[in-house]
Amino acid sequence: EDQVTQSPEALRLQEGESSSLNCSYTVSGLRGLFWYRQDPGKGPEFLFTLYSAGEEKEKERLKATLTKKESFLHITAPKPEDSATYLCAVQAAFNKFYFGSGTKLNVKP
Amino acid sequence: DVKVTQSSRYLVKRTGEKVFLECVQDMDHENMFWYRQDPGLGLRLIYFSYDVKMKEKGDIPEGYSVSREKKERFSLILESASTNQTSMYLCASSLIRRSSGANVLTFGAGSRLTVL
Repeated sequence: EDQVTQSPEALRLQEGESSSLNCSYTVSGLRGLFWYRQDPGKGPEFLFTLYSAGEEKEKERLKATLTKKESFLHITAPKPEDSATYLCAVQAAFNKFYFGSGTKLNVKP
Repeated sequence: DVKVTQSSRYLVKRTGEKVFLECVQDMDHENMFWYRQDPGLGLRLIYFSYDVKMKEKGDIPEGYSVSREKKERFSLILESASTNQTSMYLCASSLIRRSSGANVLTFGAGSRLTVL
């Protein structure tokens, strides 16, 4: 069964405390893996696309990596403004998308 | 940047009312989607469309219908709203990227619907 699982569900960090969010997936015919950021009451905002195992993408304090079974979103020295829910999605064949339930990140000053 | 605009951010409706949620994208994307998002359940696909006047059922189409008369506009219709349709509704669009096969979804800001 195709599915995406994110962990942890929630993560509380102190400002400057680096950590990683996990996205595990079982999907046939992976076309791409996507990371989104979602602020409360808003739509998801695109962060990264990863296409194949071994690929890495970076943007400011965020770095996304991909293996054949999972992806990590590494957050280095986070700031309070990084607080949000981070969603992982995978695209399978026939334009089918599968979403994880998200990790709610709270960064305390 | 692609912009996906959902006309209503917050709606409150009564059980049995007919509800229209409108979505417009401005970058000539071929694909458009309607999702609902509920705590603990993630995003679930209601309907999608890959061309004008074309529509495909998603995972949870019951109680919903859609209309795509123009390429840029995709409407979600609740024929008779029920309390279990209280949710955040998200519209998204994507451009087919034939070279990579991957399709970035661009989302609107969402429409928070409450059915009383």
